[in-house]
Amino acid sequence: QVQLVQSGAEVKKPGASVKVSCKVSGYTLTELSMHWVRQAPGKGLEWMGGFDPEDGETIYAQKFQGRVTMTEDTSTDTAYMELSSLRSEDTAVYYCATLRSRVVGDYFDPWGQGTLVTVSS
Amino acid sequence: DIQMTQSPSSLSASVGDRVTITCRASQTISSSLNWYQLRPGKAPKLLIYAASILQTGVPSRFSGSGSGTDFTLSISSLQPEDFATYYCQQSYSTPWTFGQGTKVEIK
Repeated sequence: QVQLVQSGAEVKKPGASVKVSCKVSGYTLTELSMHWVRQAPGKGLEWMGGFDPEDGETIYAQKFQGRVTMTEDTSTDTAYMELSSLRSEDTAVYYCATLRSRVVGDYFDPWGQGTLVTVSS
Repeated sequence: DIQMTQSPSSLSASVGDRVTITCRASQTISSSLNWYQLRPGKAPKLLIYAASILQTGVPSRFSGSGSGTDFTLSISSLQPEDFATYYCQQSYSTPWTFGQGTKVEIK
């Protein structure tokens, strides 16, 4: 059974970068397609990007292109999401989630517990 | 991008009530629709995938239906642990998009 454990809360100043980690257990990272989703205060869920197993590449939502980098360390089964040039609107809970691809469709399961990133001067 | 619209945005209900949440896609998405439950301080939980398939371990009081552009999530008899926010998500094409959420509150 896959379990995802994320790093702790972060407070960053505008213009800085943040790197959130997501440790996988129960499977190896190479067996999974890891994605990142965020939820700003009072807002809904927003997909940021993740690994596309069909292409073997990481895809990013257009909104975050150029500002987000998603990487993986297969030696430690840890995925990372780094967001740069932070602004107050990036204050949110960031989740890692495993994308499952089935014949009937794709879905995110399981999810990490979330990491609160606060951007404040 | 495919826009997902949920209604209502919030509702108040009592334990034992039947609750129905709707989700509409801006274009046809076949049965590529998932439902998640979010509770404060907890990891989001998959309830339903492919519009109507109950995820393993999810109570049978949850059910999903629909295809094309219109979908529903139903809870047959609301339990205390069901007070949460529910999101639909389309998996038809990237970018994956979510509805704005439906908060189910205690009446």
